[in-house]
Amino acid sequence: RKEVEQDPGPFNVPEGATVAFNCTYSNSASQSFFWYRQDCRKEPKLLMSVYSSGNEDGRFTAQLNRASQYISLLIRDSKLSDSATYLCVVSWYSSASKIIFGSGTRLSIRP
Amino acid sequence: EPEVTQTPSHQVTQMGQEVILRCVPISNHLYFYWYRQILGQKVEFLVSFYNNEISEKSEIFDDQFSVERPDGSNFTLKIRSTKLEDSAMYFCASSANTEAFFGQGTRLTVV
Repeated sequence: RKEVEQDPGPFNVPEGATVAFNCTYSNSASQSFFWYRQDCRKEPKLLMSVYSSGNEDGRFTAQLNRASQYISLLIRDSKLSDSATYLCVVSWYSSASKIIFGSGTRLSIRP
Repeated sequence: EPEVTQTPSHQVTQMGQEVILRCVPISNHLYFYWYRQILGQKVEFLVSFYNNEISEKSEIFDDQFSVERPDGSNFTLKIRSTKLEDSAMYFCASSANTEAFFGQGTRLTVV
């Protein structure tokens, strides 16, 4: 089983739509969870951290279910500028630190 | 705003040559990483570095790869004898123990 698995996409939705991405992780010792965004040929950039209680940042809502080892991202009222690849990221820290990326889900918003 | 910087932005090298990719992480960060992304594919973990030693490495990070932190600021990735399949974008990242921040990447082209 892959360490981090995401919906393969691509998602092609109209502007204003709500879109949801899902992600599962295999390592129960994982400690921190994030959604990153990557634009074409650019570096990944942090979109938001994901907390057990769920968190919201404007149009973006992230949820974590530790029992199911599942993370989600919801984008409401999508904009053309939301078109990008969204990466689910899982990390754990100790003497051996590791940050693992999912394969990414490509989102394309059409006018 | 502090950022991770990488040089060069683009490196073209002949197969069999050695290359050194350079990174200056964010100054108070403790964890350092290298990732690669082959065009059109996922971001792949190569290696993490903590307390002046490798803390974790992937199967990709074989004997042709090495990392160094030669002074207090630089973090380098050396590829000893480059192969065509090493052509990719290489991202450096650093972390203070939560989210990772990425440099803009070095595009390595092996010809």
